[in-house]
Amino acid sequence: KQEVTQIPAALSVPEGENLVLNCSFTDSAIYNLQWFRQDPGKGLTSLLLIQSSQREQTSGRLNASLDKSSGRSTLYIAASQPGDSATYLCAVTGGGADGLTFGKGTHLIIQP
Amino acid sequence: GAVVSQHPSRVICKSGTSVKIECRSLDFQATTMFWYRQFPKQSLMLMATSNEGSKATYEQGVEKDKFLINHASLTLSTLTVTSAHPEDSSFYICSASVPGVIGLEQFFGPGTRLTVL
Repeated sequence: KQEVTQIPAALSVPEGENLVLNCSFTDSAIYNLQWFRQDPGKGLTSLLLIQSSQREQTSGRLNASLDKSSGRSTLYIAASQPGDSATYLCAVTGGGADGLTFGKGTHLIIQP
Repeated sequence: GAVVSQHPSRVICKSGTSVKIECRSLDFQATTMFWYRQFPKQSLMLMATSNEGSKATYEQGVEKDKFLINHASLTLSTLTVTSAHPEDSSFYICSASVPGVIGLEQFFGPGTRLTVL
């Protein structure tokens, strides 16, 4: 059974810092990995998707990497802003018709 | 593109009643939709996979007779919580994969907050 772990569980940093969120998964046979953002009481916003054959994806200040063989992914946020404060979720799927297995998330606070 | 809506966004009901939640893909057809549940301070857990025109596939531990799923069209899946009890209070959220999109990215609805009194 796939298990996804995210470290740290919570993180508070001053505005402007670069930061890294970590995600690990136990079964390397994944189809893709997605990073999401969830604001309090809200749904999910998809940030980045990395297919199993890819090593990284970038969108604006966000960069996600994937090391499938070691079961790890990182989300790099450059020049953090208070608006980046949210819970960041990592999720993997084993196949195109499969649902996602989520980690518990990293609760991020960017201090103004 | 790839917008998924849910209705209602919030519902409060009495114990023993049934509640229906709708999930719609607004600008694409979804042969497969997924239903997740999120308890406070927990992550999302997959409940079931909804397939258009066929029976849903439920995850282990999810009662199919309690959580009825119907995917009657390519743009609508419904989740009915039957005989709801306070322990069913949770955040229910659906997603859909966009056919033809490389990597089969999943797009999520805004979620439904269910409170059972």
